[in-house]
Amino acid sequence: DAGVIQSPRHEVTEMGQEVTLRCKPISGHDYLFWYRQTMMRGLELLIYFNNNVPIDDSGMPEDRFSAKMPNASFSTLKIQPSEPRDSAVYFCASSLTQAGSPLHFGNGTRLTVT
Amino acid sequence: SQQGEEDPQALSIQEGENATMNCSYKTSINNLQWYRQNSGRGLVHLILIRSNEREKHSGRLRVTLDTSKKSSSLLITASRAADTASYFCAPSNAGGTSYGKLTFGQGTILTVHP
Repeated sequence: DAGVIQSPRHEVTEMGQEVTLRCKPISGHDYLFWYRQTMMRGLELLIYFNNNVPIDDSGMPEDRFSAKMPNASFSTLKIQPSEPRDSAVYFCASSLTQAGSPLHFGNGTRLTVT
Repeated sequence: SQQGEEDPQALSIQEGENATMNCSYKTSINNLQWYRQNSGRGLVHLILIRSNEREKHSGRLRVTLDTSKKSSSLLITASRAADTASYFCAPSNAGGTSYGKLTFGQGTILTVHP
């Protein structure tokens, strides 16, 4: 199993540009999570899906952020327009439904907005 | 969901020594998980302890759980330089819309000197 795959690994963009981060969860996993990690705020849960349906997006910072999961093997997190304060490492994670199932994280996308 | 708080924020030890990290949480849980994050990588699940368990072992890891004090500890015995990482706890109370949802604190940064 290749694990959770995120792309790109690094993204550098200018303020105002649209950014799309991609995630392929582990096959068979029912849950998919998007987290953001910064030194100041730590690891924040942005949104999570169950069976491709968004369950809780209360962590999405503002309307500039949107996430989709069109099928069980793909999810995107889009920022439009991007701002310097969006600079962070964005992680995708997936898990099974069973209570206590561990989260499997990708290696993240390091986003720098200049 | 709820977030655990790890203590201390940073821990520096010599190779071969034991490392103990603590986690406190606020409300009742079904289980608590510990994760490790190496620099530049995603989090990796280490161990899960259920609310009806008091202690659990996995290799050099020993986790305890005291539900009356709402606290857990992670002990790494005979530490190695490769154990250098950040460690996070994630308490979980499965049910309703928070099912499967995990949030993380700031973690404990462990440095093991060779």
